[in-house]
Amino acid sequence: DAGITQSPRHKVTETGTPVTLRCHQTENHRYMYWYRQDPGHGLRLIHYSYGVKDTDKGEVSDGYSVSRSKTEDFLLTLESATSSQTSVYFCAISEVAAEAFFGQGTRLTVV
Amino acid sequence: GESVGLHLPTLSVQEGDNSIINCAYSNSASDYFIWYKQESGKGPQFIIDIRSNMDKRQGQRVTVLLNKTVKHLSLQIAATQPGDSAVYFCAENFGAGGTSYGKLTFGQGTILTVHP
Repeated sequence: DAGITQSPRHKVTETGTPVTLRCHQTENHRYMYWYRQDPGHGLRLIHYSYGVKDTDKGEVSDGYSVSRSKTEDFLLTLESATSSQTSVYFCAISEVAAEAFFGQGTRLTVV
Repeated sequence: GESVGLHLPTLSVQEGDNSIINCAYSNSASDYFIWYKQESGKGPQFIIDIRSNMDKRQGQRVTVLLNKTVKHLSLQIAATQPGDSAVYFCAENFGAGGTSYGKLTFGQGTILTVHP
């Protein structure tokens, strides 16, 4: 998985609670991404980062925030989790080329 | 908005046959097209990509064809094996490079099942 570690791998949380997912890479790649995968929607980009402290919104960013204080770590935060945010979350990294390499995913359930 | 889609949601083949998975795209400005394979419980795995200035690219047992005239992308898998059973996604990357690397728009996916 190209040196990408996502944590936790599984999480169940209650509606209204904050949740932070972590992505750690050992490849020193510049670009990092958070995608969510839902049945019927494929993978959709939430947020991405093109450098330390440089982030931008993706297609489905509402309700999510991100931070990147170090090259190797990219955090995704759900400020107040909702049931619609139940999903599988994938972190991805890339360098100069367009292809992104994905982590194993985090399955998040909001009850 | 722009989207990437697939013609067939499922494909069943016999071991040893060649498989063809198709994808239609709508954004003629896309720079790269990429095929990913996703096995159950795992993240998408890069298979092969093709730049918009190419028509064909070959890898190990896989070939990607790009027809810009009709905005069509296909993945051909030669001598399909049971280990090829997975969901296959096409994805497109559009933009002028720079901060847009890795910003992918994915299709819905095609389930490939290979029967022994």
